[in-house]
Amino acid sequence: DAGVIQSPRHEVTEMGQEVTLRCKPISGHNSLFWYRQTMMRGLELLIYFNNNVPIDDSGMPEDRFSAKMPNASFSTLKIQPSEPRDSAVYFCASSPRTGLETQYFGPGTRLLVL
Amino acid sequence: QKEVEQDPGPLSVPEGAIVSLNCTYSNSAFQYFMWYRQYSRKGPELLMYTYSSGNKEDGRFTAQVDKSSKYISLFIRDSQPSDSATYLCAMTRSPQGAQKLVFGQGTRLTINP
Repeated sequence: DAGVIQSPRHEVTEMGQEVTLRCKPISGHNSLFWYRQTMMRGLELLIYFNNNVPIDDSGMPEDRFSAKMPNASFSTLKIQPSEPRDSAVYFCASSPRTGLETQYFGPGTRLLVL
Repeated sequence: QKEVEQDPGPLSVPEGAIVSLNCTYSNSAFQYFMWYRQYSRKGPELLMYTYSSGNKEDGRFTAQVDKSSKYISLFIRDSQPSDSATYLCAMTRSPQGAQKLVFGQGTRLTINP
Protein backbone atom coordinates (compact mmCIF):
# COMPACT_ATOMS: atom_id res chain seq x y z
CA ASP A 1 0.00 0.00 0.00
CA ALA A 2 1.25 3.50 -0.81
CA GLY A 3 0.23 4.91 2.55
CA VAL A 4 -1.43 8.28 3.03
CA ILE A 5 -0.55 10.62 0.19
CA GLN A 6 -0.37 14.37 0.63
CA SER A 7 0.26 17.10 -1.89
CA PRO A 8 2.00 19.39 -2.26
CA ARG A 9 4.89 18.42 -0.01
CA HIS A 10 6.04 22.04 0.20
CA GLU A 11 4.12 25.25 -0.39
CA VAL A 12 5.40 28.81 -0.23
CA THR A 13 2.83 31.53 -0.72
CA GLU A 14 2.22 35.16 0.05
CA MET A 15 -0.11 36.47 2.69
CA GLY A 16 -3.65 36.77 1.40
CA GLN A 17 -3.39 33.97 -1.11
CA GLU A 18 -5.59 30.89 -1.07
CA VAL A 19 -3.88 27.64 -0.15
CA THR A 20 -5.29 24.18 -0.85
CA LEU A 21 -3.78 21.08 0.70
CA ARG A 22 -4.75 17.65 -0.56
CA CYS A 23 -4.90 14.20 0.97
CA LYS A 24 -5.57 10.71 -0.28
CA PRO A 25 -6.18 8.29 2.62
CA ILE A 26 -5.24 4.64 2.62
CA SER A 27 -7.73 2.64 0.59
CA GLY A 28 -10.41 1.10 2.79
CA HIS A 29 -9.88 3.52 5.66
CA ASN A 30 -13.00 5.44 6.53
CA SER A 31 -11.71 7.93 9.09
CA LEU A 32 -9.59 10.90 8.06
CA PHE A 33 -7.87 13.51 10.20
CA TRP A 34 -6.19 16.84 9.54
CA TYR A 35 -3.49 18.00 11.98
CA ARG A 36 -1.24 21.03 12.23
CA GLN A 37 2.23 20.90 13.81
CA THR A 38 4.26 23.88 14.98
CA MET A 39 7.17 24.24 17.35
CA MET A 40 5.13 26.37 19.70
CA ARG A 41 1.87 24.42 19.80
CA GLY A 42 2.95 20.90 18.87
CA LEU A 43 0.55 18.61 17.00
CA GLU A 44 -3.05 19.77 17.02
CA LEU A 45 -6.13 18.08 15.58
CA LEU A 46 -7.99 20.44 13.28
CA ILE A 47 -10.88 18.31 12.03
CA TYR A 48 -11.78 14.69 11.44
CA PHE A 49 -14.21 12.82 9.20
CA ASN A 50 -15.91 9.45 9.52
CA ASN A 51 -17.31 8.01 6.29
CA ASN A 52 -16.76 11.37 4.57
CA VAL A 53 -18.84 13.25 7.19
CA PRO A 54 -17.16 15.91 9.37
CA ILE A 55 -17.48 14.80 13.00
CA ASP A 56 -15.54 17.39 14.95
CA ASP A 57 -14.15 20.64 13.59
CA SER A 58 -13.62 22.33 16.93
CA GLY A 59 -9.90 22.48 16.28
CA MET A 60 -10.25 24.57 13.14
CA PRO A 61 -8.70 27.89 14.16
CA GLU A 62 -11.07 30.24 12.39
CA ASP A 63 -13.35 30.74 9.43
CA ARG A 64 -10.41 31.11 7.09
CA PHE A 65 -9.96 27.35 7.35
CA SER A 66 -12.28 24.87 5.68
CA ALA A 67 -12.08 21.15 4.95
CA LYS A 68 -14.01 18.89 2.65
CA MET A 69 -14.15 15.21 1.90
CA PRO A 70 -16.19 14.74 -1.28
CA ASN A 71 -15.49 11.00 -1.44
CA ALA A 72 -13.72 8.23 0.44
CA SER A 73 -10.44 8.73 -1.39
CA PHE A 74 -9.91 12.47 -1.28
CA SER A 75 -9.93 15.38 1.14
CA THR A 76 -8.87 19.02 0.99
CA LEU A 77 -7.92 21.59 3.60
CA LYS A 78 -8.24 25.14 2.37
CA ILE A 79 -6.96 28.35 3.90
CA GLN A 80 -8.36 31.57 2.49
CA PRO A 81 -6.90 34.11 2.96
CA SER A 82 -3.61 32.76 4.29
CA GLU A 83 -1.62 34.56 6.99
CA PRO A 84 2.02 34.19 8.15
CA ARG A 85 0.84 32.57 11.42
CA ASP A 86 -0.59 29.70 9.36
CA SER A 87 2.97 28.59 8.56
CA ALA A 88 3.26 25.03 9.86
CA VAL A 89 3.43 21.41 8.79
CA TYR A 90 -0.01 20.05 8.01
CA PHE A 91 -0.54 16.31 8.36
CA CYS A 92 -3.32 14.14 7.10
CA ALA A 93 -3.94 10.78 8.77
CA SER A 94 -6.38 7.94 8.20
CA SER A 95 -7.56 4.96 10.20
CA PRO A 96 -9.51 1.83 9.29
CA ARG A 97 -12.71 2.39 11.24
CA THR A 98 -14.28 4.30 14.07
CA GLY A 99 -13.08 3.54 17.57
CA LEU A 100 -9.57 3.19 18.88
CA GLU A 101 -7.59 2.40 15.80
CA THR A 102 -4.09 3.28 14.77
CA GLN A 103 -3.89 6.50 12.84
CA TYR A 104 -1.55 6.36 9.86
CA PHE A 105 0.03 9.70 9.07
CA GLY A 106 1.05 11.07 5.71
CA PRO A 107 4.41 12.78 5.13
CA GLY A 108 2.93 16.24 5.69
CA THR A 109 2.80 19.49 3.76
CA ARG A 110 5.24 22.20 4.84
CA LEU A 111 3.49 25.54 4.41
CA LEU A 112 5.28 28.86 4.55
CA VAL A 113 3.21 32.02 4.26
CA LEU A 114 5.32 35.11 3.65
CA GLN B 1 -2.28 24.99 31.32
CA LYS B 2 -2.03 22.40 28.55
CA GLU B 3 -3.93 19.15 28.99
CA VAL B 4 -0.76 17.17 28.23
CA GLU B 5 2.72 18.34 29.22
CA GLN B 6 5.90 16.89 27.74
CA ASP B 7 9.44 18.18 28.05
CA PRO B 8 10.54 19.05 24.51
CA GLY B 9 14.19 18.34 25.29
CA PRO B 10 16.41 17.96 23.38
CA LEU B 11 17.69 14.82 25.05
CA SER B 12 21.03 13.37 24.00
CA VAL B 13 22.36 10.04 25.34
CA PRO B 14 25.11 7.56 24.35
CA GLU B 15 24.29 4.39 22.47
CA GLY B 16 23.26 1.57 24.78
CA ALA B 17 21.84 3.83 27.47
CA ILE B 18 18.38 3.45 28.95
CA VAL B 19 16.15 6.32 27.93
CA SER B 20 13.17 7.56 29.93
CA LEU B 21 10.57 9.80 28.30
CA ASN B 22 7.64 11.19 30.26
CA CYS B 23 4.34 13.01 30.01
CA THR B 24 1.96 14.38 32.59
CA TYR B 25 -1.68 15.16 32.03
CA SER B 26 -4.39 17.02 33.86
CA ASN B 27 -7.60 15.40 32.63
CA SER B 28 -8.51 12.30 34.65
CA ALA B 29 -10.93 11.29 31.88
CA PHE B 30 -8.05 10.13 29.69
CA GLN B 31 -8.12 6.33 29.49
CA TYR B 32 -6.02 5.36 26.46
CA PHE B 33 -2.39 6.29 26.11
CA MET B 34 -0.11 6.10 23.12
CA TRP B 35 3.44 6.83 22.11
CA TYR B 36 4.22 7.96 18.58
CA ARG B 37 7.67 8.21 17.03
CA GLN B 38 8.40 10.87 14.43
CA TYR B 39 11.55 10.86 12.35
CA SER B 40 12.78 14.13 10.90
CA ARG B 41 10.56 15.39 8.08
CA LYS B 42 8.22 12.41 8.40
CA GLY B 43 4.75 11.86 9.84
CA PRO B 44 4.32 10.33 13.31
CA GLU B 45 3.94 6.56 13.55
CA LEU B 46 2.37 4.62 16.39
CA LEU B 47 4.93 2.93 18.60
CA MET B 48 2.88 1.63 21.52
CA TYR B 49 -0.61 1.83 22.93
CA THR B 50 -1.77 1.10 26.48
CA TYR B 51 -5.00 1.14 28.41
CA SER B 52 -5.21 1.49 32.21
CA SER B 53 -2.38 1.68 34.68
CA GLY B 54 0.53 -0.71 34.49
CA ASN B 55 3.32 -1.69 32.14
CA LYS B 56 3.38 -2.91 28.57
CA GLU B 57 6.52 -4.24 26.95
CA ASP B 58 7.39 -4.57 23.28
CA GLY B 59 10.96 -5.56 22.57
CA ARG B 60 13.26 -2.82 23.82
CA PHE B 61 10.33 -0.51 24.58
CA THR B 62 8.26 -0.38 27.77
CA ALA B 63 5.26 1.88 28.26
CA GLN B 64 4.16 2.67 31.79
CA VAL B 65 0.98 4.36 32.96
CA ASP B 66 0.27 5.67 36.45
CA LYS B 67 -3.25 7.05 36.45
CA SER B 68 -3.15 8.02 40.12
CA SER B 69 -0.29 10.40 39.38
CA LYS B 70 -1.49 11.25 35.85
CA TYR B 71 1.93 10.31 34.58
CA ILE B 72 3.03 8.13 31.67
CA SER B 73 6.49 6.99 30.65
CA LEU B 74 8.27 5.32 27.76
CA PHE B 75 11.50 3.46 28.44
CA ILE B 76 13.92 2.47 25.72
CA ARG B 77 16.52 -0.16 26.62
CA ASP B 78 19.79 -0.65 24.78
CA SER B 79 19.16 2.52 22.80
CA GLN B 80 20.36 2.61 19.20
CA PRO B 81 21.22 5.52 16.87
CA SER B 82 18.16 4.49 14.83
CA ASP B 83 16.02 5.43 17.85
CA SER B 84 16.94 9.08 17.29
CA ALA B 85 13.62 10.79 16.66
CA THR B 86 10.95 12.90 18.30
CA TYR B 87 8.68 10.94 20.63
CA LEU B 88 5.15 12.19 21.18
CA CYS B 89 2.77 10.98 23.81
CA ALA B 90 -0.94 11.02 22.96
CA MET B 91 -4.07 10.23 24.89
CA THR B 92 -7.82 10.09 24.56
CA ARG B 93 -10.92 9.72 26.70
CA SER B 94 -12.85 6.72 25.55
CA PRO B 95 -13.37 4.44 22.56
CA GLN B 96 -16.33 6.53 21.49
CA GLY B 97 -14.22 9.66 21.40
CA ALA B 98 -11.01 7.79 20.85
CA GLN B 99 -10.20 9.47 17.62
CA LYS B 100 -9.75 12.85 19.20
CA LEU B 101 -6.17 12.41 20.31
CA VAL B 102 -4.45 15.04 22.44
CA PHE B 103 -0.71 15.09 21.86
CA GLY B 104 2.18 16.23 23.99
CA GLN B 105 4.72 18.65 22.60
CA GLY B 106 7.13 15.84 21.73
CA THR B 107 10.64 15.12 23.07
CA ARG B 108 13.49 15.25 20.60
CA LEU B 109 15.89 12.37 21.31
CA THR B 110 19.38 11.82 19.90
CA ILE B 111 21.33 8.60 20.48
CA ASN B 112 25.05 9.16 19.95
CA PRO B 113 27.13 6.26 18.56
